[in-house]
Amino acid sequence: QVQLQESGPGLVKPSETLSLTCTVSGGSIRSHYWTWIRQFPGKGLEWIGYIYYGGATNYNPSLKSRVAISIDTSKNQFSLKVTSVTAADTAVYYCARGRYSGNYWGQGTLVTVSS
Amino acid sequence: SYVLTQPPSVSVAPGQTATISCGGNNIGSKSVNWYQQKPGQAPVLVVSDDSDRPSGIPERISGSNSGNTATLTISRVEAGDEADYFCQVWNSRSDHWVFGGGTKLTVL
Repeated sequence: QVQLQESGPGLVKPSETLSLTCTVSGGSIRSHYWTWIRQFPGKGLEWIGYIYYGGATNYNPSLKSRVAISIDTSKNQFSLKVTSVTAADTAVYYCARGRYSGNYWGQGTLVTVSS
Repeated sequence: SYVLTQPPSVSVAPGQTATISCGGNNIGSKSVNWYQQKPGQAPVLVVSDDSDRPSGIPERISGSNSGNTATLTISRVEAGDEADYFCQVWNSRSDHWVFGGGTKLTVL
């Protein structure tokens, strides 16, 4: 059974960089697309972007200038960086597997942007 | 950008049938996925590609898609079905996901 687990700081200061890692267990990170999604306090979901195991990426245009997703196949991990964060980036961040839909999701991690 | 519209809430009595709609321009030409999210938990895929059920999802849950509306149907509703439900499509023009705003299903 494939499992995903997000990790990273739960509190980030405004203007700094949010960094999260998703560790995949129970299966290989190879030959799949890996996606980041976030959910705002009001419950709305927003797709952030994906990375293919070979390194190809695609990002939500609304975030493209501030987002980077990378992958480390040797560690079965992929990561998210969001620069210049504001309070509007406060959300639960999920990692998931899939390009067209998410059939496996992590449990999510709350990131709060506050000084 | 492509917009998906869901009703904020739907209420149904136990044993009855719940229908949750997801409206979008010519959504019938796209593949629609549905997620169930219970409080404090991650979303779970319950219907993919309009009407396919992943392993472990009961047959009471079904999906359809035509014209400008996709529909999630839950038959013989149980208390355990109470959750938020989100529709999602893959936008082939931009190669990214779009989510509906979500519908809270309340079992009376």
